[in-house]
Amino acid sequence: DAKTTQPTSMDCAEGRAANLPCNHSTISGNEYVYWYRQIHSQGPQYIIHGLKNNETNEMASLIITEDRKSSTLILPHATLRDTAVYYCIVRVNTNAGKSTFGDGTTLTVKP
Amino acid sequence: DGGITQSPKYLFRKEGQNVTLSCEQNLNHDAMYWYRQDPGQGLRLIYYSQIVNDFQKGDIAEGYSVSREKKESFPLTVTSAQKNPTAFYLCASSTGSLHPRQYFGPGTRLTVT
Repeated sequence: DAKTTQPTSMDCAEGRAANLPCNHSTISGNEYVYWYRQIHSQGPQYIIHGLKNNETNEMASLIITEDRKSSTLILPHATLRDTAVYYCIVRVNTNAGKSTFGDGTTLTVKP
Repeated sequence: DGGITQSPKYLFRKEGQNVTLSCEQNLNHDAMYWYRQDPGQGLRLIYYSQIVNDFQKGDIAEGYSVSREKKESFPLTVTSAQKNPTAFYLCASSTGSLHPRQYFGPGTRLTVT
């Protein structure tokens, strides 16, 4: 699985959009980009995933660059409850399903 | 209510004792996983199982053992051979299908003194 690079921490004002970047320059053609988040002392929660097209669901949007070497997770209207560690993972969708979680980005949403 | 159960939430043991962490899922998922998380760090894969009666080592399997006798259960034993067992342990499961997103349990915080 390809390695990812994320900023260690970011701040965002409540109500504003939070844009979390992820670099995955060694991504392979069959690897998907997944995003999870972990609120303090809880299990990680799936947010969204994509291959090459932009994706949107009720939680967030995922923008993947055309060369697929980077992506951005967008929380359109951040709330205090979005304060968490966000993990970007790239992996092949095989039955193994195992993922490598790096240290992620700690997003702090401020009032 | 479907989901993953881990028990207990907090566990305390004396050094030198083996301890078994429970993980149960009622999602009918084929694959299950165990991760370890140390303070301020990401998750590291200990073991995973794609099917009953089969499991594979992850990145940090030394000092741990697992079993998968039933589809819904994947207990993790932290043995006395694990040099630094104090950590937050997370269990997860996935369908094993084409888009196997992982569902995580609430975790067990193990403290060994």
